[in-house]
Amino acid sequence: AQTVTQSQPEMSVQEAETVTLSCTYDTSESDYYLFWYKQPPSRQMILVIRQEAYKQQNATENRFSVNFQKAAKSFSLKISDSQLGDAAMYFCAYDPLTYDEKLTFGTGTRLTIIP
Amino acid sequence: ETGVTQSPTHLIKTRGQQVTLRCSSQSGHNTVSWYQQALGQGPQFIFQYYREEENGRGNFPPRFSGLQFPNYSSELNVNALELDDSALYLCASSLELASSYEQYFGPGTRLTVT
Repeated sequence: AQTVTQSQPEMSVQEAETVTLSCTYDTSESDYYLFWYKQPPSRQMILVIRQEAYKQQNATENRFSVNFQKAAKSFSLKISDSQLGDAAMYFCAYDPLTYDEKLTFGTGTRLTIIP
Repeated sequence: ETGVTQSPTHLIKTRGQQVTLRCSSQSGHNTVSWYQQALGQGPQFIFQYYREEENGRGNFPPRFSGLQFPNYSSELNVNALELDDSALYLCASSLELASSYEQYFGPGTRLTVT
């Protein structure tokens, strides 16, 4: 079974600064998807960014970008120009693209933004 | 466009009882997945339904069962509740089955078993 590891239970960053959240995963598959989800106190999971494993180019969505290192099985999220609204739990997730296995989530990183 | 909704928001049950949680998918979405999120943990996949048929199941016992209706709304049923079933239950819908389609999550139902 695949595993997703987020080794930083909590992170904090000053408003307007940059922060990087780490994620590693274990798989024997060559094609898969990786995701970062944000879960604010409202509890509703929101997709932040997605990376397809066969694409070498790192995904970017406005202030959010990833550093995808396939050989190292690493998938970090960089948040630039941090804003108060970025405060939330962030979950890394893996999708193996197989019939009977769906999203596997990490344990999350709680991000605090310091004004 | 209406988002994914779940009911109830909170629920308290006693060990041994049965519970039904409901999810209304986003308009036009034919795929729904259910997840269990224990306190301080990431969500764990329970099962997925596509066009009213189960399409994959995680490592959960048979007392966790589900239904998807013709209008693509969905239910999660849990029988013989145990204390460890206390968690946030999330449903997520997507336009189609393929992983390339984004999953949209509901706000969850917080279940407490005493």
